[in-house]
Amino acid sequence: GIQVEQSPPDLILQEGANSTLRCNFSDSVNNLQWFHQNPWGQLINLFYIPSGTKQNGRLSATTVATERYSLLYISSSQTTDSGVYFCAVERTGRQAGTALIFGKGTTLSVSS
Amino acid sequence: KAGVTQTPRYLIKTRGQQVTLSCSPISGHRSVSWYQQTPGQGLQFLFEYFSETQRNKGNFPGRFSGRQFSNSRSEMNVSTLELGDSALYLCASRWDAYEQYFGPGTRLTVT
Repeated sequence: GIQVEQSPPDLILQEGANSTLRCNFSDSVNNLQWFHQNPWGQLINLFYIPSGTKQNGRLSATTVATERYSLLYISSSQTTDSGVYFCAVERTGRQAGTALIFGKGTTLSVSS
Repeated sequence: KAGVTQTPRYLIKTRGQQVTLSCSPISGHRSVSWYQQTPGQGLQFLFEYFSETQRNKGNFPGRFSGRQFSNSRSEMNVSTLELGDSALYLCASRWDAYEQYFGPGTRLTVT
């Protein structure tokens, strides 16, 4: 099956720093989402980005589908950005049904 | 629109018992998927329902089952609970083939 690898596994930043999280996937995808898991466990949608670039405030994401990777940029990080960031993909060509395949996540810790 | 809701939020069960978890999707979403999250295995897909039919299933034993009702609400059931079933169970809904939206999860502890 499709493999999703996220790097780095852990990231420690000072407030105000910028960071880049990477997601590599092993096959063509027709859906790629970035999530932030809050301390209570809920997955918060950040981006739906099977290709191209999107921005939302201090966060932006780029997916280069032909090269099978996606990047999540966090600028001017705040302590509230702490948590686990997941990349999840859905493989191209499924006739029916949906199954997001998740990476293992990047744990971000932002200190003041 | 209200988000995806899940009940109960927390649950403690004993080995051998069974449990039923409930999920109400976002209004208008007909697809509901279930995922299990554990520290060892991460986030894994359980199954997906669309218009009351199971459309996709992950690699879990038959003790894990689900169903969807005509109003798109979904339940999942785990029979003969094992200690390893302790996990966060997340439900997600989507409209058509676009992004999935997750509920807050049910944290199940099996003792």
